[in-house]
Amino acid sequence: QQQVKQSPQSLIVQKGGISIINCAYENTAFDYFPWYQQFPGKGPALLIAIRPDVSEKKEGRFTISFNKSAKQFSLHIMDSQPGDSATYFCAASIGQAGTALIFGKGTTLSVSS
Amino acid sequence: DTEVTQTPKHLVMGMTNKKSLKCEQHMGHRAMYWYKQKAKKPPELMFVYSYEKLSINESVPSRFSPECPNSSLLNLHLHALQPEDSALYLCASSQDVLQETQYFGPGTRLLVL
Repeated sequence: QQQVKQSPQSLIVQKGGISIINCAYENTAFDYFPWYQQFPGKGPALLIAIRPDVSEKKEGRFTISFNKSAKQFSLHIMDSQPGDSATYFCAASIGQAGTALIFGKGTTLSVSS
Repeated sequence: DTEVTQTPKHLVMGMTNKKSLKCEQHMGHRAMYWYKQKAKKPPELMFVYSYEKLSINESVPSRFSPECPNSSLLNLHLHALQPEDSALYLCASSQDVLQETQYFGPGTRLLVL
């Protein structure tokens, strides 16, 4: 019940296309859902995050869509660029002392030019 | 400024060595974390410090020993490691354990021979 399931494992998108990564969770106590971007040899960087009271959040080319009833959330990268090629992790947390971020397994995105 | 710094960037050590990893943040965050990340896997939580006290130890072997000397510093002492401990070790911080946004450092790439 603590799992966050992420798909696809890898994704190839043409430059200018839309990249979509999906995550699903079971624990309805989760109330914070961040996405992290990680380049090889670097630490994860917070990309965008959402809470369940909002169905969509947009920051530049990155949008999170959140479906509370389906317990799913997704990351959309519009106008994908080669510089977006990285590994993306979704995560979830309960926001209580003694808990931690639960990460999905990650998606490796390659944007071809 | 959302910077978490880690030293060293790379570390090679033998199984009988003792070494330490260091992490520093000056954001006034009161929660700090150690994660271990193997290639093509998500970060795995090892330890959480909240207000300089250890609040989570995810059943980590005793050859890993964390220390939080003050609110800005976090150390991970390593002793008698095994080759399977080779990984990227990531430090993160958040405002406190109730504030879910975690900021990661660049990591220390550890190789145990």
